[in-house]
Amino acid sequence: EDQVTQSPEALRLQEGESSSLNCSYTVSGLRGLFWYRQDPGKGPEFLFTLYSAGEEKEKERLKATLTKKESFLHITAPKPEDSATYLCAVQAGDDKIIFGKGTRLHILP
Amino acid sequence: NAGVTQTPKFQVLKTGQSMTLQCAQDMNHNSMYWYRQDPGMGLRLIYYSASEGTTDKGEVPNGYNVSRLNKREFSLRLESAAPSQTSVYFCASSGGTAGSYEQYFGPGTRLTVT
Repeated sequence: EDQVTQSPEALRLQEGESSSLNCSYTVSGLRGLFWYRQDPGKGPEFLFTLYSAGEEKEKERLKATLTKKESFLHITAPKPEDSATYLCAVQAGDDKIIFGKGTRLHILP
Repeated sequence: NAGVTQTPKFQVLKTGQSMTLQCAQDMNHNSMYWYRQDPGMGLRLIYYSASEGTTDKGEVPNGYNVSRLNKREFSLRLESAAPSQTSVYFCASSGGTAGSYEQYFGPGTRLTVT
C-alpha cells in the first residue's frame, strides 16, 4: 500500500537552531515528491519538487533532499517566521498523490 | 493573477441542507482537485478532474458530487450535509506545463454542519 509518513509530528526549536524534518515513503514508481508549507488558517503553499534520488533543492533557509526511501527538509538557522506546518506529498506511478500528515514546526525567539 | 480562489470562506449548515463550494483558477491548469483536511487526518482527496470534461473519485467521495464547469472552474456539492462533513475544504490545481505536477491551493472553506 502506498504510504507517506512524516516525523516528528511536532518540533520546537530555538531561533538559530538547525534541524531536519523527515518524510519516508513507500510508493509504486515515484514520479515526484513535493514539500509544502501551511500557515494556520491558510492553504498549503508549494515549496519544492524532487524527482530522483540524489536531487537537492534550496530556498532561503530550507533545503530539500531525496533518497530512494525518504526525503529530508533541512532548516538552517531558522527564524520565528519559519514556524508553520510542513507537508510532504508523493506522486505515485499511477499519478495518485498521497499526502503525509505534516510536521508542526515552532521556532522560539 | 489571483491563483486559486474559493467561495465561500466560511459556512454553517444544518444537517440535511445542501450547498455548493466554488473554486476557480486563472493559471491555465489542466487538473483540479478537492481535498478535505481534518485534525490528525491530513489532506484527503475527495474528487479530482484531470482535464476539462473528466472527473474521478478520490479517497473519500461519499456524500459529495463535483462539476468541472470549464477549464477554470471546479465545484463541489454537498447534497445532504452531515456532521461528519464538518471540515476545511481546499481546492487545488496543477499541470500548467508538461510534467509539472505541483499543486497550488486556494485559501479554503471552513464548513460546520450542526
